[in-house]
Parts: sequence; C-alpha cells; structure tokens
Amino acid sequence: GEDVEQSLFLSVREGDSSVINCTYTDSSSTYLYWYKQEPGAGLQLLTYIFSNMDMKQDQRLTVLLNKKDKHLSLRIADTQTGDSAIYFCAATPDTDKLIFGTGTRLQVFP
Amino acid sequence: GAVVSQHPSWVICKSGTSVKIECRSLDFQATTMFWYRQFPKQSLMLMATSNEGSKATYEQGVEKDKFLINHASLTLSTLTVTSAHPEDSSFYICSARDRRLAGETQYFGPGTRLLVL
Repeated sequence: GEDVEQSLFLSVREGDSSVINCTYTDSSSTYLYWYKQEPGAGLQLLTYIFSNMDMKQDQRLTVLLNKKDKHLSLRIADTQTGDSAIYFCAATPDTDKLIFGTGTRLQVFP
Repeated sequence: GAVVSQHPSWVICKSGTSVKIECRSLDFQATTMFWYRQFPKQSLMLMATSNEGSKATYEQGVEKDKFLINHASLTLSTLTVTSAHPEDSSFYICSARDRRLAGETQYFGPGTRLLVL
C-alpha cells in the first residue's frame, strides 16, 4: 500500500522560509495535498497539486512536485508564529482514500 | 464555503456506554464522508468511508460492530462507538467530499475528543 513519510520536526526563525518535505511510494496518486493542524483542532486544507503539475504557488505557499522521485515539498515564505502547527501531506492512491504522512511539527521562533 | 462541523467537540463517558458523534456538511452536499482516528502525536488513520444511502466500507482492522456508521442524508453522517472502553479514547475526525469541487478534496471537521473512563 501507499506509504507517506515526512520529517518529524522543523524549527525556523520568524521571517525565514520553511520547507517541509514529503515522500510517497505510489505514483498513481492523482492529487497530493497539504493540510495544517493546530493543537486540538481538525485539519485545514492549505493547498493541493494535480499530479501532472510540477509547481503550484498560492500566496506564501509554494508546492513542488517531483513525480520521478515521488517527492513533494511545501515552502512557506516569510514564516510567521501563526504558522506554527503540524503539517500533513496526503496522497490519493485511489479517489476514495487519503493516505496521510506522519506529520511535520513546525515551530516558529521570534 | 465547504464547512464541516462535528458534535460534540468533547465527550467523557463511562466504560461500557455508547457514544454518538455527528458530522455535518453545512454548505454543501457530501456524497461521501470519511471517519478518521488520531492518537496523540500521530497521524490520521482512516477508519471507514461512508456513502450516503449505503453501508460504510471499513478499513482492515476496524470492527464494524464496534464503530457503527450511518450516513442517512447528504449532509449528515454519524459514528457510534458502542460499548466504549478506555482504549477507544482518541480524537475522531470526520471529513466530507464535495464532488463539485476540483481535486476530489476532503474538508475536515474540527474533531471530537473522546475520553472513556
């Protein structure tokens, strides 16, 4: 089955860029997603990318997809303290399932 | 748009009782809803997929008699944890899919924290 991996922790200074990485194993995923989870809350959809795209930019967020290497990244420009949260990437090996990564805890310090 | 609510947000119950959690899509029709479980500091694990008007599809290892799912309308799905035990304590999150939107995107509820004493 699909396996989605992320680094567990990332710490950045406020104002710097953050890059969160994700690898997946099943190349059949049509869409790949990034979700944000704040403590005790549900998941907020940040952005998604279609598998035939290499890059998608949405304001401070840039998603890069390397389909050959099955690597997905999320770059947050000008990271703010409010960006501190857990970030999950998710793949869709079939349209009825989201397979989540392990989550990356982003900590932003002043 | 694409708002999903859950009720209750918190529930504490005694061992052996049943607990019902509601998931509602507030501004769209959700032909499919999903139920996830999340343990502390872990990722989300899909429990079951719920299609309106039909039986839920459970993931391997999830007891269908333990976790009863009903999706009676296009805006409401319920998860009932029957005869709850302390090991059922967890964070339960639902999501709903709006097929009209691009990306087959799932929108998530705020979650329900269950504590079984």
